[in-house]
Amino acid sequence: GAVVSQHPSRVICKSGTSVKIECRSLDFQATTMFWYRQFPKQSLMLMATSNEGSKATYEQGVEKDKFLINHASLTLSTLTVTSAHPEDSSFYICSAPLLMRGNEQFFGPGTRLTVL
Amino acid sequence: AQKITQTQPGMFVQEKEAVTLDCTYDTSDQSYGLFWYKQPSSGEMIFLIYQGSYDEQNATEGRYSLNFQKARKSANLVISASQLGDSAMYFCAMRVFSSGSARQLTFGSGTQLTVLP
Repeated sequence: GAVVSQHPSRVICKSGTSVKIECRSLDFQATTMFWYRQFPKQSLMLMATSNEGSKATYEQGVEKDKFLINHASLTLSTLTVTSAHPEDSSFYICSAPLLMRGNEQFFGPGTRLTVL
Repeated sequence: AQKITQTQPGMFVQEKEAVTLDCTYDTSDQSYGLFWYKQPSSGEMIFLIYQGSYDEQNATEGRYSLNFQKARKSANLVISASQLGDSAMYFCAMRVFSSGSARQLTFGSGTQLTVLP
């Protein structure tokens, strides 16, 4: 099956620093990728849609200047959390749709971000 | 806008028994797909089963089956012969296929399933 990887799997950083999370589709091309955030015991909330070669589309309430998204190639999207604060601590998951059976989405393994 | 409702925050089931996890949805689109994902404590999202709105038969995948009742807008997941490894969070999700719609999934709040030995 299709595989999506994420790096790093865990990151701990100090408040005020920036953190970059990579999402790669390993065996298929993804013109679109999605970034979700999940707080403990809660559901996945869509943050933004990453589009290859164009600007990302952000959901209401998500600060585009704080969560920078770059989709530079058909297999890589990056999410940079700028000037991270403790409230940004969360589980970040990316996904990429595949044109099969209703555009099933394949999820990365997630990145657990802890901001001290 | 689409909405997914999972009314069971937590469920318990005895090992080897069957369990049904509820999911209702709301959309005005006629063409849509319904998904179930399993999320163990490791955090990975594992695809379980898919049902298209025009599929006439209920989807089945091994021990998983989807009880699709279109008129009631429900898409319950049935897990037969529960195993200890089934203990996890389960999410129901939906996406619509109308022209111009984005391809992201809308998720329910999830059900934490615990299988008891």
